[in-house]
Amino acid sequence: ETGVTQSPTHLIKTRGQQVTLRCSSQSGHNTVSWYQQALGQGPQFIFQYYREEENGRGNFPPRFSGLQFPNYSSELNVNALELDDSALYLCASSFAGQWRETQYFGPGTRLLVL
Amino acid sequence: DQQVKQNSPSLSVQEGRISILNCDYTNSMFDYFLWYKKYPAEGPTFLISISSIKDKNEDGRFTVFLNKSAKHLSLHIVPSQPGDSAVYFCAASGVNAGNMLTFGGGTRLMVKP
Repeated sequence: ETGVTQSPTHLIKTRGQQVTLRCSSQSGHNTVSWYQQALGQGPQFIFQYYREEENGRGNFPPRFSGLQFPNYSSELNVNALELDDSALYLCASSFAGQWRETQYFGPGTRLLVL
Repeated sequence: DQQVKQNSPSLSVQEGRISILNCDYTNSMFDYFLWYKKYPAEGPTFLISISSIKDKNEDGRFTVFLNKSAKHLSLHIVPSQPGDSAVYFCAASGVNAGNMLTFGGGTRLMVKP
């Protein structure tokens, strides 16, 4: 059984560019959540996907968007990058209905926006 | 508006002693609380949780206490081991608070041999 994987591990972009981050859920998990963790802070919820549809969203602007695929892998897309988007982006997978009890986190993608 | 706060950014403890990590919350809708541990270059890993219908949950060396009236929870690690050195996050969720975990800012625990 493989855990949650994310790619790439590190990424450098410039302001105004677009970025796509990828997440492969743990085997059998059908729910994925994305979090942004700024330096020195706790993870902040961006959104959750279940059955390929957004199933909850935190306080992030529409330029943060996502996709979930039939194999439950997921993407986070950020358009018009800003300097403040520099952070560690974490995805977490879980079974629907059990996301509160246990979410399995990937190692994250560290994004630097210059 | 930080709904979950960990007021101690760091804590240093001697090996074998007790570590106590604290967390406060403001949202009355929260009814489930979790602690995660995070090592560098890894994602957070689930440690222990507690439902609001309980005031204590124990798992080996780890015990979480919940004081609903004070909106406060704490994680006790006894005895502390050097391998416990990590950043600890408390998180909260509520059935009517969105499909999300709300995290505190974390406390870096250092256990000295």
